[in-house]
Amino acid sequence: DAKTTQPNSMESNEEEPVHLPCNHSTISGTDYIHWYRQLPSQGPEYVIHGLTSNVNNRMASLAIAEDRKSSTLILHRATLRDAAVYYCILRQGFTGNQFYFGTGTSLTVIP
Amino acid sequence: DTEVTQTPKHLVMGMTNKKSLKCEQHMGHRAMYWYKQKAKKPPELMFVYSYEKLSINESVPSRFSPECPNSSLLNLHLHALQPEDSALYLCASSLESSYNSPLHFGNGTRLTVT
Repeated sequence: DAKTTQPNSMESNEEEPVHLPCNHSTISGTDYIHWYRQLPSQGPEYVIHGLTSNVNNRMASLAIAEDRKSSTLILHRATLRDAAVYYCILRQGFTGNQFYFGTGTSLTVIP
Repeated sequence: DTEVTQTPKHLVMGMTNKKSLKCEQHMGHRAMYWYKQKAKKPPELMFVYSYEKLSINESVPSRFSPECPNSSLLNLHLHALQPEDSALYLCASSLESSYNSPLHFGNGTRLTVT
């Protein structure tokens, strides 16, 4: 299984940017990098995904290292509703449906 | 609100009971997934169905039996469970089993085995 490594926890002040790192040194060429977040008592929620280029959507930005061995999820202005566990996942390209979660980063947003 | 609906939200069952968890989506997705999540741990993949056929079984004990009656429905039949099987069971779907389509999760069924 392709593995990801994330810090267990991070803190951010409200309305400041947050950079959540993820290492995936065993990534293969066809693996997509996905990010999900899970709020308390809810199922995981899709945030963003990418392959090689940086990606932006209404929720966040994804910055992917040139060698693809790491990536960073960027929340541009953290709000209290962004407090969640953020998971970085490699969606494996060979079959596409082996979708393994890493340990995740618990983000605390301080008012 | 989520577009993947799981029922029931909570379930308490004894070790000799037989019960089923249900999952439904009407997004036209052709891949469906079961995950198990213990408290403060990440979700663990159990089963994947692709076009109504079981494509992945992550060595799950036979007391868990998945079923996909049609492309919108996914069931998980439970029999002779152990207390350590108590967990949040999450269902997810994706447009197809390719690496470019994100997963959509339900909010899970919280199962307690007594």
